[in-house]
Amino acid sequence: EDKVVQSPLSLVVHEGDTVTLNCSYEVTNFRSLLWYKQEKKAPTFLFMLTSSGIEKKSGRLSSILDKKELSSILNITATQTGDSAIYLCAVRSPQAGTALIFGKGTTLSVSS
Amino acid sequence: KAGVTQTPRYLIKTRGQQVTLSCSPISGHRSVSWYQQTPGQGLQFLFEYFSETQRNKGNFPGRFSGRQFSNSRSEMNVSTLELGDSALYLCASSLDRGVRNEQFFGPGTRLTVL
Repeated sequence: EDKVVQSPLSLVVHEGDTVTLNCSYEVTNFRSLLWYKQEKKAPTFLFMLTSSGIEKKSGRLSSILDKKELSSILNITATQTGDSAIYLCAVRSPQAGTALIFGKGTTLSVSS
Repeated sequence: KAGVTQTPRYLIKTRGQQVTLSCSPISGHRSVSWYQQTPGQGLQFLFEYFSETQRNKGNFPGRFSGRQFSNSRSEMNVSTLELGDSALYLCASSLDRGVRNEQFFGPGTRLTVL
């Protein structure tokens, strides 16, 4: 059965810290991995990764996929209180069609 | 471009009733997927519609059903509601069924079953 595991489940940091969130997956015929940020509403799209080793960046956020290790990391540098949210990792495989298989998420709390 | 919209945003029902939720995708998007989010199980895939046809279905009982209209708008229906159906129901749209397409989520409908 396809599976996505995120770690840690929750994290508390101080403003200015750098954090690394982890996502590992077991899927048949992996196609893509997506990261979302969820506050008290809809998950908002951050990145989609399809090729190993290529870093995607957007401001203070970046992500890399390691297809050999079946994992991805999401880095947030110089954290701000506005980064407090649940970060969701999801993967897609042909067996699931366009369905996204989500991990349970990492709850990040940034204190001032 | 307007984002994905869902109505209603909040809903309270009692056990045994049925409910219909609505989703309007981003203009031009033809694929609509539905997810259930609960604190215990996280986000779980319900089903996907494309060109008015269900293309994919998750592991949910037959009480959960849906449909898609010619304008790509989608509805999902839950019959004979149970307490465990209380959840945030999220709709996501994407351009088509390509696996390299991002899915964009709506704000969700919060369903509470009493």
